[in-house]
Amino acid sequence: NAGVMQNPRHLVRRRGQEARLRCSPMKGHSHVYWYRQLPEEGLKFMVYLQKENIIDESGMPKERFSAEFPKEGPSILRIQQVVRGDSAAYFCASSTLQGSNQPQHFGDGTRLSIL
Amino acid sequence: DAKTTQPPSMDCAEGRAANLPCNHSTISGNEYVYWYRQIHSQGPQYIIHGLKNNETNEMASLIITEDRKSSTLILPHATLRDTAVYYCIVRDTTSGTYKYIFGTGTRLKVLA
Repeated sequence: NAGVMQNPRHLVRRRGQEARLRCSPMKGHSHVYWYRQLPEEGLKFMVYLQKENIIDESGMPKERFSAEFPKEGPSILRIQQVVRGDSAAYFCASSTLQGSNQPQHFGDGTRLSIL
Repeated sequence: DAKTTQPPSMDCAEGRAANLPCNHSTISGNEYVYWYRQIHSQGPQYIIHGLKNNETNEMASLIITEDRKSSTLILPHATLRDTAVYYCIVRDTTSGTYKYIFGTGTRLKVLA
């Protein structure tokens, strides 16, 4: 299966710990998007990355959150000093060419729970 | 803000066609309409997309009005497994990132 892979599927952290969420895009895709979903709500855009570059982080909180997409390896969404409000499902999507009409393809998400 | 509006919920009898409407009255001439669905606890699943012509694939048909201000997703023979939240999306092309702006979607319930 060459789909978007996210891990872990479930992650439990205590307040103040760090959470690291990983996303491997579909083969041949160099564009990665991260979205967050709260219960009973639609997905909200967080950040858009190409290989080694952050293109748009307008949806990501300025503090405690960071994202990277290194030349080798998966994209990482990192949340430092987690708080209860960070509990959510985090989805990653990948696509081919920016600006093309090709759709984004989503992974099955990481469900983050903060104790 | 989302560029689309959808009814919050719909019911459909199993085996019948499910017609899900979407309003996108502010869509620009070069913006595509995308449809996804999300089954509980899974990631959004791509269904179909189109610009101005009607589209059909193995999952569904997409009918876009001539003025492009609205569209309808048609599931020709709904099954219980089609119960999901369906999202109609027009991308944000103004910022150059082509990110998706999700609305609240339509919760489709297929009844036995």
